[in-house]
Amino acid sequence: DTAVSQTPKYLVTQMGNDKSIKCEQNLGHDTMYWYKQDSKKFLKIMFSYNNKELIINETVPNRFSPKSPDKAHLNLHINSLELGDSAVYFCASSQGPGRPRSTEAFFGQGTRLTVV
Amino acid sequence: KNEVEQSPQNLTAQEGEFITINCSYSVGISALHWLQQHPGGGIVSLFMLSSGKKKHGRLIATINIQEKHSSLHITASHPRDSAVYICAVQTGTASKLTFGTGTRLQVTL
Repeated sequence: DTAVSQTPKYLVTQMGNDKSIKCEQNLGHDTMYWYKQDSKKFLKIMFSYNNKELIINETVPNRFSPKSPDKAHLNLHINSLELGDSAVYFCASSQGPGRPRSTEAFFGQGTRLTVV
Repeated sequence: KNEVEQSPQNLTAQEGEFITINCSYSVGISALHWLQQHPGGGIVSLFMLSSGKKKHGRLIATINIQEKHSSLHITASHPRDSAVYICAVQTGTASKLTFGTGTRLQVTL
């Protein structure tokens, strides 16, 4: 069973479109994250949710909106896609604050988004 | 300047060699992580440490909090170790990770 699963794995879309990436974890973790990896392979955090509550929101355009319907899911919606949004987006989860291995992160396989 | 610096950026080694990847950081941290990104893109957590040393198989991670430095060692390297190794530091209480730029390791026969 895949611990953290993202869909789709590849996404090619035109500028201006709205798209979503889904993420689900079956580890019983409280905290989930979205990271962006740019063309230079540099990873940067975008958002973090703990028990469906937003706890980290880095400087990300408000075209990006995370949604957490429950603590096992954290989806990423992107409106009005731009060329610069092309990147690999990784979802991850960890146990969460107050737990023994609170920040050990388990990553999804990534979603390669290409905006044309 | 990135808060987390890794060296070298690229490393080529022959099978069997002992490999060291270094990570230096400039902020106070609560933990440091070493991650491995496979050529296919998947990311795996190797170690999470806040002091001392940890060992898992042929991999050893050390951290010196006073010097703000960590090293990842690979003994008896093998071509399957070829990957990008990423250092990340945890700061604050909100589980935020700040990443280094990664070290691309290629192990040849």
